[in-house]
Amino acid sequence: AQSVAQPEDQVNVAEGNPLTVKCTYSVSGNPYLFWYVQYPNRGLQFLLKYITGDNLVKGSYGFEAEFNKSQTSFHLKKPSALVSDSALYFCAVRDGRGGATNKLIFGTGTLLAVQP
Amino acid sequence: DVKVTQSSRYLVKRTGEKVFLECVQDMDHENMFWYRQDPGLGLRLIYFSYDVKMKEKGDIPEGYSVSREKKERFSLILESASTNQTSMYLCASTPGGASGTPSVSQFFGPGTRLTVL
Repeated sequence: AQSVAQPEDQVNVAEGNPLTVKCTYSVSGNPYLFWYVQYPNRGLQFLLKYITGDNLVKGSYGFEAEFNKSQTSFHLKKPSALVSDSALYFCAVRDGRGGATNKLIFGTGTLLAVQP
Repeated sequence: DVKVTQSSRYLVKRTGEKVFLECVQDMDHENMFWYRQDPGLGLRLIYFSYDVKMKEKGDIPEGYSVSREKKERFSLILESASTNQTSMYLCASTPGGASGTPSVSQFFGPGTRLTVL
């Protein structure tokens, strides 16, 4: 069965410092991995995804994520945090074997708080 | 840009009322999804549909039903609202149909925050 874990409910970081939001996953086939961001009282916005190829994926707003197959992880990173990055972040996984109508499994979310 | 709209941003209903949440997408996507979002639980799939008049149960379908009469519209129905259905409801869509296009991300609406008193 597919699953996603986001071990931290909240991550606090000072503006200008690097940030990492952690995600680990479990799937039977090759994983398709996604990060979404949710600003207060808004829907989810797509940030980036890993499908195949280069393990370092770059996305919107300066975010990037590193796929690590041996550690089954897909951590979200940014070299220099902004106060405006404060939001709720969701990791999601789908089994790459496809079928089953694109069902995604979401993590429980990590609240990122960037202090000025 | 893909646009997914939901009929209400905020909704307050009373216990026992029948509640309709509407979702419309404008990109001719085959697949549509309804999730509920609760603190500490993330997003949980209620129902999804991969074609008109087709529906599949997600992980938590109890107390809900859905309707998909037109490709662009996917409705979530609470037959008799209860206080434990107070939540944020998110609609999403994606192309691909039943065979799926696993590399495509989902497009989300802004959400409806439902309070049942």
